[in-house]
Amino acid sequence: DIQMTQSPASLSASVGDRVTITCRASQGIRNDLGWYQQRPGKAPKRLIYAASSLQSGVPSRFSGSGSGTEFTLTISSLQPEDFATYYCLQHNSYPWTFGQGTKVEIK
Amino acid sequence: EVQLVESGGDLVEPGRSLRLSCTASGFTFRDYAMNWVRQAPGKGLEWVGFIRKKASGGTTEYAASVKGRFSISRDDSKSIAYLQMNSLKTEDTAVYFCTRGYTNPFDYWGQGTLVTVSS
Repeated sequence: DIQMTQSPASLSASVGDRVTITCRASQGIRNDLGWYQQRPGKAPKRLIYAASSLQSGVPSRFSGSGSGTEFTLTISSLQPEDFATYYCLQHNSYPWTFGQGTKVEIK
Repeated sequence: EVQLVESGGDLVEPGRSLRLSCTASGFTFRDYAMNWVRQAPGKGLEWVGFIRKKASGGTTEYAASVKGRFSISRDDSKSIAYLQMNSLKTEDTAVYFCTRGYTNPFDYWGQGTLVTVSS
């Protein structure tokens, strides 16, 4: 199975900060990776697909990069509605696997 | 508007069975693979499995934790995907989400349905 190691597990940041979350795959997954945001009590929402493509309707402050084994989600200027938990997902090979999640909290 | 609505969640005893449904609308259901993802209380997301569209064989894939106990099926005439869960264990307690897609999956999600396995 491909392991997705996501870091950090949590972070505290202020409105306006630049935030970076990383996912490392235990083996190469090309660009078969998505990023998802989940607010408490809600279903996840896709932000990024194919590692770097922005989902329609998602603000441009979100961006994704990477290929192979190392991937990054960046929020260029954190907004109040961005405080949530973020997950990466690899869909290159079965079983599809999520990272452990990164909880973004208000400093 | 794409909508996915899960139903069928309940409190069941260990060893029993339960079937969840995911009713889709707003898109051509037969053109999409359908997935199930679960989230245990206070935990992260876990992919459960998916069913391909019939044009791709309609075959299924499952996580090791549910293989042999869970099965996914679909009724394209009703735009419903099912998750049949047998031999339920306490560790299957979770919110179960349905979501669509295969190539770049999980663009739309349902709101989830809670399954509690407890005696």
